[in-house]
Amino acid sequence: EAELVESGGGLAQPGGSLRLSCAATGFSLRSYEMNWVRQAPGKGLEWVSYITTSGRTTYYADSVKGRFTISRDNAKNSMYLEMSSLRVEDTAVYYCAKDRGQLERHAFDLWGQGTMVTVSS
Amino acid sequence: DIQMTQSPSSLSASVGDTVTITCRAGQYINNYLNWYQQKPGKVPKLLIFAASSLQSGVPSRFSGSGSGTDFSLTITNLQPEDFATYFCQQTYHTQYSFGQGTKLEIK
Repeated sequence: EAELVESGGGLAQPGGSLRLSCAATGFSLRSYEMNWVRQAPGKGLEWVSYITTSGRTTYYADSVKGRFTISRDNAKNSMYLEMSSLRVEDTAVYYCAKDRGQLERHAFDLWGQGTMVTVSS
Repeated sequence: DIQMTQSPSSLSASVGDTVTITCRAGQYINNYLNWYQQKPGKVPKLLIFAASSLQSGVPSRFSGSGSGTDFSLTITNLQPEDFATYFCQQTYHTQYSFGQGTKLEIK
């Protein structure tokens, strides 16, 4: 069964860094564009970042541009989100999500269970 | 980034009712509009992609329509398991964005 599993969340201080990982099982991640989405406690969904299958093209939300870096290692069937200069407002559950590609309007059809990131002093 | 505005923000309905949630994009997005359902403590679930295509396994009481800037999600014959929060999402512009969500509650 296809599954995505995030890890790496935890407590970080403002200005600190964290690295999130998203591991795919049951399918080959290399065939799919991927995304990170976050959800602050009690709030809605916020798209964070996108990466193409090769990793050569990436996009970011304005709220994280210049602070977060998305990457992938297709050989390890994994994707990553390097987060730096963390702010209190980055506190959220972070989900990785599989993208269906342009023909199906980049719908996110598989989501991980999420990893909680808390930024607090 | 593109603003996605859902209405209403919350909605009360009864089992068996038909409800419609609307989503308006701040700019033209063709049919790059997807709908998700999220239940408390659960992961979002894809319902509709490309504005009107039903995701495999999703009951046919869910339907979507629209193109350009105005879209809607309709649920007919509401079932107890449909009470949840619904989000629209645009993926036409490279900075994807979600609507703020519509919470569907039992009356």
